[in-house]
Amino acid sequence: AQKITQTQPGMFVQEKEAVTLDCTYDTSDPSYGLFWYKQPSSGEMIFLIYQGSYDQQNATEGRYSLNFQKARKSANLVISASQLGDSAMYFCAMREGPSNTGNQFYFGTGTSLTVIP
Amino acid sequence: DTGVSQNPRHKITKRGQNVTFRCDPISEHNRLYWYRQTLGQGPEFLTYFQNEAQLEKSRLLSDRFSAERPKGSFSTLEIQRTEQGDSAMYLCASSLTRVQETQYFGPGTRLLVL
Repeated sequence: AQKITQTQPGMFVQEKEAVTLDCTYDTSDPSYGLFWYKQPSSGEMIFLIYQGSYDQQNATEGRYSLNFQKARKSANLVISASQLGDSAMYFCAMREGPSNTGNQFYFGTGTSLTVIP
Repeated sequence: DTGVSQNPRHKITKRGQNVTFRCDPISEHNRLYWYRQTLGQGPEFLTYFQNEAQLEKSRLLSDRFSAERPKGSFSTLEIQRTEQGDSAMYLCASSLTRVQETQYFGPGTRLLVL
């Protein structure tokens, strides 16, 4: 089974609108971390936002927020007020297990977001 | 610039040749990771180091691949007898052991094996 599933290969959003990128995960470990990264065409992975499995509130970082639904094992990324510079690939990732044990990270296949002027 | 750096950024080689890539992590980060990313896919974990110790290796890391981090600072990834299937982007990331352990990525080395 896939550890991280991103079912939207491509998404389009109008500039200044909000968009939700879906991510579901699979783990039986009670301790894990969920991450979203942005990868522009230049190739560098840029960290956006983090959600820990024990965090009570949804994470927010500026225009990014993570809609964490633990029972559904989903961690959707919401980008508000989209900008042209948001056009990129977006990857959801999971660290399985406690952070101090150095477990490997699992990445999804990504969603390509295009912001339309 | 205090981010993760990787060299070279691009490498073209002929099948059968050996190649070596270097990664310099963020200076205070004790963990270093190597990933491989092919077109249209997310990064796939290869191996990681905590300080100079290599603690985990993926099944993807065949015996032609070797990684080192001799002094717990920079790391090298060597591919011997390259094959066309090795063509990919090789990403390095570093992190600091703490609650969140966010990995910060370098720009990657794009390898093309002819």
